[in-house]
Amino acid sequence: AQTVTQSQPEMSVQEAETVTLSCTYDTSESNYYLFWYKQPPSRQMILVIRQEAYKQQNATENRFSVNFQKAAKSFSLKISDSQLGDTAMYFCAFMNRDDKIIFGKGTRLHILP
Amino acid sequence: EAGVAQSPRYKIIEKRQSVAFWCNPISGHATLYWYQQILGQGPKLLIQFQNNGVVDDSQLPKDRFSAERLKGVDSTLKIQPAKLEDSAVYLCASSPAGRVHIQYFGAGTRLSVL
Repeated sequence: AQTVTQSQPEMSVQEAETVTLSCTYDTSESNYYLFWYKQPPSRQMILVIRQEAYKQQNATENRFSVNFQKAAKSFSLKISDSQLGDTAMYFCAFMNRDDKIIFGKGTRLHILP
Repeated sequence: EAGVAQSPRYKIIEKRQSVAFWCNPISGHATLYWYQQILGQGPKLLIQFQNNGVVDDSQLPKDRFSAERLKGVDSTLKIQPAKLEDSAVYLCASSPAGRVHIQYFGAGTRLSVL
């Protein structure tokens, strides 16, 4: 079965610091998509960053970057210069060849002033 | 561009009652999804539509849940009768044709079954 594991249920960091959220996944497929979604209290899931497995280069979106280790099946999210608005639940997700997204259980991130 | 619209935002019902949720996807998006998100978990796909046809409903509890997407635009998800374990947030998402790896989510409906 394909699974996504986020080992950190909750994290807190000071504003302007850098934080890394961990994610591992399990699949036998060779090509797939990986995502990080943000879910603020408004509940709307917002795509933070997307990585295609066949691309070796790590995806970057402004202050957000990933460390994609395909052999280790690891996909961590780094948030640089964290801001109060980054406070949210963060979900790691995997899209399989059937185009079905499987989400992890999430990491609740608190950015402290 | 308007986002994915969902209503209502909140719903409280007694067990064994019926409830319906509505979703209007982004204009022109061919694919529509309904997810169930139980507290403390990530969303789980219930059903996926491509235009007005069902692509995947393998995780939809068909004895009590039903969904339709008439005319391939907006969609309704219904639960009858509701159980306590149906308490969750129900999220709708949509994707442009041929780009299912780009999903836009609505704000969801929080259902509480008492």
